[in-house]
Amino acid sequence: GENVEQHPSTLSVQEGDSAVIKCTYSDSASNYFPWYKQELGKGPQLIIDIRSNVGEKKDQRIAVTLNKTAKHFSLHITETQPEDSAVYFCAASETSYDKVIFGPGTSLSVIP
Amino acid sequence: DTGVSQNPRHKITKRGQNVTFRCDPISEHNRLYWYRQTLGQGPEFLTYFQNEAQLEKSRLLSDRFSAERPKGSFSTLEIQRTEQGDSAMYLCASSLLGQPNEQYFGPGTRLTVT
Repeated sequence: GENVEQHPSTLSVQEGDSAVIKCTYSDSASNYFPWYKQELGKGPQLIIDIRSNVGEKKDQRIAVTLNKTAKHFSLHITETQPEDSAVYFCAASETSYDKVIFGPGTSLSVIP
Repeated sequence: DTGVSQNPRHKITKRGQNVTFRCDPISEHNRLYWYRQTLGQGPEFLTYFQNEAQLEKSRLLSDRFSAERPKGSFSTLEIQRTEQGDSAMYLCASSLLGQPNEQYFGPGTRLTVT
């Protein structure tokens, strides 16, 4: 079955700096890669996703890249703000309506 | 309210008791998913429904767990004879087949088994 790994497990950045989270997956059948943000006491919230026919996608301060050959994908957050502090999960699935396999999470702290 | 709702938000029970959680998906979403999340980990898939049909169950879903979605709307997840290892956050998500069809998560039910 699919296995998703994520690094780093914790990340601390100064406000305004960039944050990068990297993930790898094992199942070549995976074609959909969502990223979720989870704040304390809440469920995960989808912030951006990328499909296997796209190498890069950007939405304001957030960008994701995908290398299907290497089975790597990454999340980049630019101009970080304190409200970006949360746990971020990368995930993979065959399609966007199949079960999602999550990575272990990255706890991001943005220091004002 | 247009989001996924879950009840109760918190449940404390004694080992050996049965518990039932409810999930109300976003209106007209035909897929509904249950996940379990333990502290410091990512959510783990348990099962999912398309309308009232249960299409897949994880190996994590032991025979003490049962999920239903009788009318293709809300869903219940029951755990019988709870064990301390069942303590976790139980998350529900829903999606609509078609575009866009990403999964939207509810706030979860936190279960503590004492």
